[in-house]
Amino acid sequence: EVQLVESGGGLVKPGGSLRLSCAASGFTFSNYIMNWVRQAPGKGLEWVSSISSTSTYIYYADSVRGRFTTSRDNAKNSLYLQMNSLRAEDTAVYYCARKYSSVDYWGQGTLVTVSS
Amino acid sequence: DIQLTQSPSFLSASVGDRVTITCRASQGISSYLAWYQQKPGKAPRLLIYAASTLQSGVPSRFSGSGSGTEFTLAISSLQPEDFATYYCQQLNSYPWTFGQGTKVEIK
Repeated sequence: EVQLVESGGGLVKPGGSLRLSCAASGFTFSNYIMNWVRQAPGKGLEWVSSISSTSTYIYYADSVRGRFTTSRDNAKNSLYLQMNSLRAEDTAVYYCARKYSSVDYWGQGTLVTVSS
Repeated sequence: DIQLTQSPSFLSASVGDRVTITCRASQGISSYLAWYQQKPGKAPRLLIYAASTLQSGVPSRFSGSGSGTEFTLAISSLQPEDFATYYCQQLNSYPWTFGQGTKVEIK
């Protein structure tokens, strides 16, 4: 069974940092493009970042470029999102999701709240 | 960036109704479009990918069509479990973008 489990969310002050993790199981992690998508409270979905299977290509939304860094460890079947210089508008549920032909499996999400 | 505009934003319908949701792209995206269903407090669920391919396990009452700039998600006979918010997403080019969502509620 495919499972994606995010962790690392919580309350952080503006300007602070947080590192999210996504533990994958039930599939060959190293074969898939992995992604972060977020959803602010009561709002729609926003793509954040994608990383290719071997980390050769990494893409970011303009809203997070320069502040967020996506990485993966294929040996540990894990995806990461390092979030620095956090702002109130980064408050959201962060989902990790895998892509092959499409984005077919999503984790349950982890809530990040940026507030003083 | 490619903008996706869904219509309507809100839809009120009854069980058994046929409903359609439209997603228009600001430029051509071939068939690189997916549709998701999301219920409150849950992760999105993939329904349709490549504009018209039904994801495994998704009921056949869901269908997708279109290419280029105009796409449609149809539900042939609305069931109680279909009341949710639906999103389209383009995967033609980065940055990936989503439509603003269509909330389907019980009439």
